[in-house]
Amino acid sequence: AQKVTQAQTEISVVEKEDVTLDCVYETRDTTYYLFWYKQPPSGELVFLIRRNSFDEQNEISGRYSWNFQKSTSSFNFTITASQVVDSAVYFCALSEAQGTDKLIFGTGTRLQVFP
Amino acid sequence: NAGVMQNPRHLVRRRGQEARLRCSPMKGHSHVYWYRQLPEEGLKFMVYLQKENIIDESGMPKERFSAEFPKEGPSILRIQQVVRGDSAAYFCASSLTSLGPYEQYFGPGTRLTVT
Repeated sequence: AQKVTQAQTEISVVEKEDVTLDCVYETRDTTYYLFWYKQPPSGELVFLIRRNSFDEQNEISGRYSWNFQKSTSSFNFTITASQVVDSAVYFCALSEAQGTDKLIFGTGTRLQVFP
Repeated sequence: NAGVMQNPRHLVRRRGQEARLRCSPMKGHSHVYWYRQLPEEGLKFMVYLQKENIIDESGMPKERFSAEFPKEGPSILRIQQVVRGDSAAYFCASSLTSLGPYEQYFGPGTRLTVT
């Protein structure tokens, strides 16, 4: 069965600190996709990244970076030099290639960045 | 280039009333997904529709809930005889039609409160 685990319920950091949000997934499929979404206090969901299971290269986008490790079934998200505007709930999600593309979400990690 | 539109943004219903939630996908998108987010929880898949077809409703409660995506007009999630436990945020997402999965772009959500 598919499952996404975000063990960190809440993280608090001070501005300019680096922070890593963990995501561990379970799936029987060899082809699958992983996603990160951000949900700021306003409530909408903002797409951040999609990776497929064949591409294990790490990705960097500005202050954001993602570390995909198939060997440990993890897809961790790091924010470098965090800012107050990064405060949000972050969701990791999984979708299998064989199926209806529905997203299986983790329970989210609430990040609070204090000035 | 309008994003996914949902209305109403907030909906208050008394127990036993009906709730109708509307979702207009992004232009060019013909795949619609509905998710429910209970307070302090992650999003849970409910149903996946294409125009005039329900493709996967494995996440829908068996009773009182229905969804449609007609040839013309928005997708509708309908909840009959609402109960307090239906209070949640309901998100609609849309994606391109093609081999996927493509990114799902989410609407701002409808927050349903049942009194």
